[in-house]
Amino acid sequence: DAKTTQPTSMDCAEGRAANLPCNHSTISGNEYVYWYRQIHSQGPQYIIHGLKNNETNEMASLIITEDRKSSTLILPHATLRDTAVYYCIVRVGSGNEKLTFGTGTRLTIIP
Amino acid sequence: DVKVTQSSRYLVKRTGEKVFLECVQDMDHENMFWYRQDPGLGLRLIYFSYDVKMKEKGDIPEGYSVSREKKERFSLILESASTNQTSMYLCASRPDARGYTFGSGTRLTVV
Repeated sequence: DAKTTQPTSMDCAEGRAANLPCNHSTISGNEYVYWYRQIHSQGPQYIIHGLKNNETNEMASLIITEDRKSSTLILPHATLRDTAVYYCIVRVGSGNEKLTFGTGTRLTIIP
Repeated sequence: DVKVTQSSRYLVKRTGEKVFLECVQDMDHENMFWYRQDPGLGLRLIYFSYDVKMKEKGDIPEGYSVSREKKERFSLILESASTNQTSMYLCASRPDARGYTFGSGTRLTVV
């Protein structure tokens, strides 16, 4: 699986959009971009994933650059409950079942 | 919603004890996983299973074994617990190409 690079930490004001970047410059054509988050003392939670098109669900939006070498997770109106560690992972959608987590971005929402 | 349930939230065991960590999922998923999470090291895959009675080693299987006698249950076994196995243990299941669902975790302390 391709390696990802994320900032160690970020702050965002409550009610504003939180934009979390991820670099994955060695991504292969068949690898998806997945985002998870982990709130303190809980298991990771799936947020969203995509291959090359932008994706949106009830939790977030995922913007993938045209060359697919980077992506941005957008939480449109951040709340205090969005404070968590956010993990960006790239992996083949099927076949290799392992999910490799990096150290992620610690997002703190400021009241 | 898919639920992954880990039998204990906190456990304290003595060195040398045999320890069983239980995980149950309620959505008939084929694939189940055991990870451990340690500060600064992120999540590391211990074992995973594609189906009943099938198991595959992850990245750090030493000192652990697993059992999958029924589809919904995946057990992690520490044959002889040691202090370096003090950690947060996370179980996950995965239906197919979609995201993983994690349990809330078991924080194991070996004294």
